[in-house]
Amino acid sequence: KAGVTQTPRYLIKTRGQQVTLSCSPISGHRSVSWYQQTPGQGLQFLFEYFSETQRNKGNFPGRFSGRQFSNSRSEMNVSTLELGDSALYLCASSLVPGGRNTEAFFGQGTRLTVV
Amino acid sequence: GDSVTQMEGPVTLSEEAFLTINCTYTATGYPSLFWYVQYPGEGLQLLLKATKADDKGSNKGFEATYRKETTSFHLEKGSVQVSDSAVYFCARHSGGGADGLTFGKGTHLIIQP
Repeated sequence: KAGVTQTPRYLIKTRGQQVTLSCSPISGHRSVSWYQQTPGQGLQFLFEYFSETQRNKGNFPGRFSGRQFSNSRSEMNVSTLELGDSALYLCASSLVPGGRNTEAFFGQGTRLTVV
Repeated sequence: GDSVTQMEGPVTLSEEAFLTINCTYTATGYPSLFWYVQYPGEGLQLLLKATKADDKGSNKGFEATYRKETTSFHLEKGSVQVSDSAVYFCARHSGGGADGLTFGKGTHLIIQP
């Protein structure tokens, strides 16, 4: 079956703009999590959605937001982009939330460059 | 808060050498522990996991044992191949309402023929 699909793969934006990234989870998976990966901070948890509701949120400013649709697809939005938002944004899907016994499947990521 | 510490590397080995990548975690609660691997230009793939103390996770010749007494989850492989070259991430998840996976900084492994 198809894996986790993230679009677009690459994105270049200017400071101050906003951006929307998309994630389609594996069919049947209802939980979607987002992570930011940078060389300095490594992988950091952004938020997790299940059944269209945000369950958890990491330590990121309010400029970072997300949502999940009834078909489990998820989008994340970053407003008023800063240079430091340049990163690889990874989406992970799982059958149910929690992660303790559930394998998270990651997409290839969206590489965002802010100039 | 929760944290995971691992050697960052790069770690350079010759083909067929023995591999150990150290990982330690904070002892808050009883987390599940994971090793993920990231190949160039790709997302993360789950390599193995362990959900309770003394569990051993294994996959593709890699092994790691959940050691509660030393709060460690070291990754080992007896004979590495060039195709094992990648970045390896140790991670923990406490389950319940916890905030996603907590990852280590990643260890870049380079295997030379």
